[in-house]
Amino acid sequence: TQLLEQSPQFLSIQEGENLTVYCNSSSVFSSLQWYRQEPGEGPVLLVTVVTGGEVKKLKRLTFQFGDARKDSSLHITAAQTGDTGLYLCAGFGGSNYKLTFGKGTLLTVNP
Amino acid sequence: DADVTQTPRNRITKTGKRIMLECSQTKGHDRMYWYRQDPGLGLRLIYYSFDVKDINKGEISDGYSVSRQAQAKFSLSLESAIPNQTALYFCATSDSTGSYGYTFGSGTRLTVV
Repeated sequence: TQLLEQSPQFLSIQEGENLTVYCNSSSVFSSLQWYRQEPGEGPVLLVTVVTGGEVKKLKRLTFQFGDARKDSSLHITAAQTGDTGLYLCAGFGGSNYKLTFGKGTLLTVNP
Repeated sequence: DADVTQTPRNRITKTGKRIMLECSQTKGHDRMYWYRQDPGLGLRLIYYSFDVKDINKGEISDGYSVSRQAQAKFSLSLESAIPNQTALYFCATSDSTGSYGYTFGSGTRLTVV
């Protein structure tokens, strides 16, 4: 069974601060995806990283895939209240080629 | 219209009742999935279907059944609802590779009393 551990589980910060959330596994994934979920809605895909060491930027969000394709991080610069939500990482791979989700990091950005 | 539509959005039902949650998609994807989300437990896969004739159990399929009526439609049934099936249920779709992201519906909040 492939497991993804996300940390921290909860994060509450002030607007303008920087933050990093982590997604770790002992398993290798062929790709890793990050989703954001807002209350009352389904998760929405932010990014997919495929190559070990890959870095992708989406405005103030920077995503990195570990060299060994076992871990990933999401860094947010100058957080805004609109960044509030549940951030989920999901690894793709394994014998059935399905996504395995972490339990998420609940981010609250206070004004 | 949303790419993935789930009905109903909210439902309260009694223990022992049969209930069906419906999902339809306009993405033209072959693959469809049903997940449940519980606080602290994340998203757990109930059933998945790689095409109309291919249906597979996920990690928590006991107490649930599914039907893939067409490429665009995938329904989830609780044959005899119990309180610990109270959860947020999501349907999702992906293309045939599955590796470039899932598209989720807005979810069904189910309460079993």
